[in-house]
Amino acid sequence: AQRVTQPEKLLSVFKGAPVELKCNYSYSGSPELFWYVQYSRQRLQLLLRHISRESIKGFTADLNKGETSFHLKKPFAQEEDSAMYYCALSSNFGNEKLTFGTGTRLTIIP
Amino acid sequence: NAGVTQTPKFQVLKTGQSMTLQCAQDMNHEYMSWYRQDPGMGLRLIHYSVGAGITDQGEVPNGYNVSRSTTEDFPLRLLSAAPSQTSVYFCASSTTGGDTEAFFGQGTRLTVV
Repeated sequence: AQRVTQPEKLLSVFKGAPVELKCNYSYSGSPELFWYVQYSRQRLQLLLRHISRESIKGFTADLNKGETSFHLKKPFAQEEDSAMYYCALSSNFGNEKLTFGTGTRLTIIP
Repeated sequence: NAGVTQTPKFQVLKTGQSMTLQCAQDMNHEYMSWYRQDPGMGLRLIHYSVGAGITDQGEVPNGYNVSRSTTEDFPLRLLSAAPSQTSVYFCASSTTGGDTEAFFGQGTRLTVV
């Protein structure tokens, strides 16, 4: 069975400090991995996907198949980064069945 | 650019009542899904559909029914509401391809008393 683990429920970081949100997964095949973000009073939206290898709002995430991890990183946190972050896995050729982690609530301290 | 629209936004039900949560998308997406979001548990898949006329169960389907008569609509029915179904429900849609983006509705907050 596939599983996504986000070990930190809450994470507080000072503005300007580096941020790392951890995500580990278990899946026997080749997964597609994503980070979704939910800002206050907004709908869940895609932040980035591993296959595109892009940086969005200063965030990056590298898929490490050896460690089965997909940690989200940002070198300098900003107050607007405060939100709920979900790591998600898609195991097939479509996104109708996403497996989500339990989420990490990131709070940036001014 | 409506995207994924869910109605209602809030609902209070009594135990045993039935209701339908509506979800509509205007992006001509083949895939649609329903998730529930509970504190400390993330989002869990209830039911999903890969196209009109095709539905299947997710991780937590008990107590819920779905149908997909059109590409645009994917309603979720609670047949006999229970307090354990108190949750925030999200509908999502996406096109084919494992690396594509899933678009979410704004959610329905359901309380069963």
